[in-house]
Amino acid sequence: DTEVTQTPKHLVMGMTNKKSLKCEQHMGHRAMYWYKQKAKKPPELMFVYSYEKLSINESVPSRFSPECPNSSLLNLHLHALQPEDSALYLCASSQHQGNQPQHFGDGTRLSIL
Amino acid sequence: RKEVEQDPGPFNVPEGATVAFNCTYSNSASQSFFWYRQDCRKEPKLLMSVYSSGNEDGRFTAQLNRASQYISLLIRDSKLSDSATYLCVVNRGTGNQFYFGTGTSLTVIP
Repeated sequence: DTEVTQTPKHLVMGMTNKKSLKCEQHMGHRAMYWYKQKAKKPPELMFVYSYEKLSINESVPSRFSPECPNSSLLNLHLHALQPEDSALYLCASSQHQGNQPQHFGDGTRLSIL
Repeated sequence: RKEVEQDPGPFNVPEGATVAFNCTYSNSASQSFFWYRQDCRKEPKLLMSVYSSGNEDGRFTAQLNRASQYISLLIRDSKLSDSATYLCVVNRGTGNQFYFGTGTSLTVIP
């Protein structure tokens, strides 16, 4: 079982909907990440939070909005997504933002109609 | 040039075989290295970190060659359960940004 929990596991939404993905970890990690993964491709980094502050935004479109309410939680707010945004969204955490292995949640599979 | 290059395979090997994967990285400033395993439609799971001195975990051995900028993973006595995609990951350290290889697909055949 993964120690990083993501909800929901699956999400289908229309292009005009607003929804949120949630990620939670209780390992005391202070760095958290959002990745997007398309089929048969490696994960692509979207955002990095370190000590609850956004430290990296990989030029992600503004229709994706991250939020880190506290050190255990990470959200990804979605609005006006496009069909090409359909993918597996993975959350990860690491002890700190340094030379640390990252631990992944099992992802949210998102489909945009 | 890609940050991390991996042979995508697929590698199809019989049970009990030894199989090796290699991965090269382009940035000599890279500081830490990992192998992850990803099963179909699942999340990546850390298989092992890779150290300069080389390290072993059961049937798995990882090696790092900084001079040549490559990382290897050796799997001995392959099991059916080893079938997965193996992702090589390189970390420059600053920002803990992971650079993933494209992954190498392994199928172990009975």
